[in-house]
Amino acid sequence: KQEVTQIPAALSVPEGENLVLNCSFTDSAIYNLQWFRQDPGKGLTSLLLIQSSQREQTSGRLNASLDKSSGRSTLYIAASQPGDSATYLCAVGSYNTDKLIFGTGTRLQVFP
Amino acid sequence: AAGVIQSPRHLIKEKRETATLKCYPIPRHDTVYWYQQGPGQDPQFLISFYEKMQSDKGSIPDRFSAQQFSDYHSELNMSSLELGDSALYFCASSSPPGTSGGHNEQFFGPGTRLTVL
Repeated sequence: KQEVTQIPAALSVPEGENLVLNCSFTDSAIYNLQWFRQDPGKGLTSLLLIQSSQREQTSGRLNASLDKSSGRSTLYIAASQPGDSATYLCAVGSYNTDKLIFGTGTRLQVFP
Repeated sequence: AAGVIQSPRHLIKEKRETATLKCYPIPRHDTVYWYQQGPGQDPQFLISFYEKMQSDKGSIPDRFSAQQFSDYHSELNMSSLELGDSALYFCASSSPPGTSGGHNEQFFGPGTRLTVL
């Protein structure tokens, strides 16, 4: 059974810092991995999608890497801003099932 | 760009009542997914539809049912509501699946917040 964990659970940093959020999964037979952002009580915004054949994806100040063999993905946020404050969720998609299995999330606060 | 539309955004019901949540996928997306997110929890997959047929099923209670219509919109019907059904219900959609058995990026709607009193 696939299990997805994220560390740290919470992170509070001053504006301008570069951040690394971690996601681990137990079954390496994944099809893809998505990183999402969720503001309190709001919907999920897809940030990056990495297919199993890819090593990384970049969008603006965000960079996500994937190491399938070790069951890990990292989300790198460069030059963090207060507007980046949110919960970040990783979710794993597997073969022959539609469901995404979500991690427990990292709650990020960036203060001015 | 058009996003996934969900209605209503907020819903308050009494125990044992019924509720219907609606989802309108992104144009040309033919796969719809439903997730439930309880307070302080991560989203849990309920059910999905591809081309109007049930595609996969997760931890959906027997009291819930769903379908996808000819215009690809989907409805989640919830009966005999319980206090524990209070949650955010998300719908997501994706474009036609790849040929390798997996699926494409899922785009989520803003969610319907259901409160059962």
